[in-house]
Amino acid sequence: DAMVIQNPRYQVTQFGKPVTLSCSQTLNHNVMYWYQQKSSQAPKLLFHYYDKDFNNEADTPDNFQSRRPNTSFCFLDIRSPGLGDAAMYLCATSRDYQGTYTDTQYFGPGTRLTVL
Amino acid sequence: AQSVAQPEDQVNVAEGNPLTVKCTYSVSGNPYLFWYVQYPNRGLQFLLKYITGDNLVKGSYGFEAEFNKSQTSFHLKKPSALVSDSALYFCAVRDATGGYQKVTFGIGTKLQVIP
Repeated sequence: DAMVIQNPRYQVTQFGKPVTLSCSQTLNHNVMYWYQQKSSQAPKLLFHYYDKDFNNEADTPDNFQSRRPNTSFCFLDIRSPGLGDAAMYLCATSRDYQGTYTDTQYFGPGTRLTVL
Repeated sequence: AQSVAQPEDQVNVAEGNPLTVKCTYSVSGNPYLFWYVQYPNRGLQFLLKYITGDNLVKGSYGFEAEFNKSQTSFHLKKPSALVSDSALYFCAVRDATGGYQKVTFGIGTKLQVIP
């Protein structure tokens, strides 16, 4: 019954070592989002895909990249993780945001990234 | 720019008592408003949303929220708190203007229900 799945749930990487986080969805939603959430902070939107169209937030560092090979999957790549990138990374989906859709977002359980 | 304020870092309430978690917002147009709940080491779960119409919105798990345009508020309420309601609650807003509008989340309010 899982709708938004994130793997792994916990990821440990070394400073500067590339890491990829995975998200998949069974909802067939058009939109997929990646958020970074640090302790006691609001989730911070990094970027989103509307179908195949990538939309980056202006303040997202170049160190963060994303891929969406198909409707179901989306990946977050951190090219050279720094200590400041340690956080919970949340994937979310929404059906749409065009027309009358109001983009209720459905979140995965998150991947907690530790950088050593 | 749109913003959300959750003025209380933590709310403590005794089990069985009514609870309120406060949220105020700022947006240039009309708002869409959301409440999400987050349990430890989990993602956010949608509780309810206000789009238009009745100012009192009912959601999951017995929660409701009241949209007050004049006070730009969208407080979350529940008549009788359960220990299992203890979690982190996020209010969120987006401008209702058509097309893509980013959703802005508040920093969250920790709800502690005391047995």
